[in-house]
Amino acid sequence: KAGVTQTPRYLIKTRGQQVTLSCSPISGHRSVSWYQQTPGQGLQFLFEYFSETQRNKGNFPGRFSGRQFSNSRSEMNVSTLELGDSALYLCASSLAVGRGETQYFGPGTRLLVL
Amino acid sequence: GQQVMQIPQYQHVQEGEDFTTYCNSSTTLSNIQWYKQRPGGHPVFLIQLVKSGEVKKQKRLTFQFGEAKKNSSLHITATQTTDVGTYFCAGEGGGSNYKLTFGKGTLLTVNP
Repeated sequence: KAGVTQTPRYLIKTRGQQVTLSCSPISGHRSVSWYQQTPGQGLQFLFEYFSETQRNKGNFPGRFSGRQFSNSRSEMNVSTLELGDSALYLCASSLAVGRGETQYFGPGTRLLVL
Repeated sequence: GQQVMQIPQYQHVQEGEDFTTYCNSSTTLSNIQWYKQRPGGHPVFLIQLVKSGEVKKQKRLTFQFGEAKKNSSLHITATQTTDVGTYFCAGEGGGSNYKLTFGKGTLLTVNP
């Protein structure tokens, strides 16, 4: 089975721009979660989608949004980029939402905001 | 909200020495998961602990879940250079909160 794929792998943007990141989960996985990873804050949960519905949300401003499509692929969008948004954005898929679901992470998209 | 603290932040060992990282949650967990992230890579699932006092072993790695289900540890015996990476614990809260909260990780470096 192919793993989780994320595109693009690297991205450079300037402050004020917006960006869309894409994630394709493992075939058969219906849940997709997004995380922001920075050296200082570690892995921070952004949101989780299951069956095209947001099931959980972390403590990020409304500039961060996401969606999931009927084929379970997911996108996240960051509007009005700030320097502090520079990070590795990781997508993780799991079979479903629920107790004890293992997260399978993709390679991430490294975003640099100048 | 739920917080998961992990210590130490960094650990440098000589090859062959043991290594332990500790994880503490502010609330009782339903389960805890451990992940390893190699430098430049992404987190990879290692194991999940569910029961109070549970101990699981994977070759040189020993994972423990505390009796109160609020703390956990990962112990590596006789480290090797292939053990280099950041080890994360991730706790899942009780009730209807299925969200995983990750600790900040422990970066392990091994001197050959």
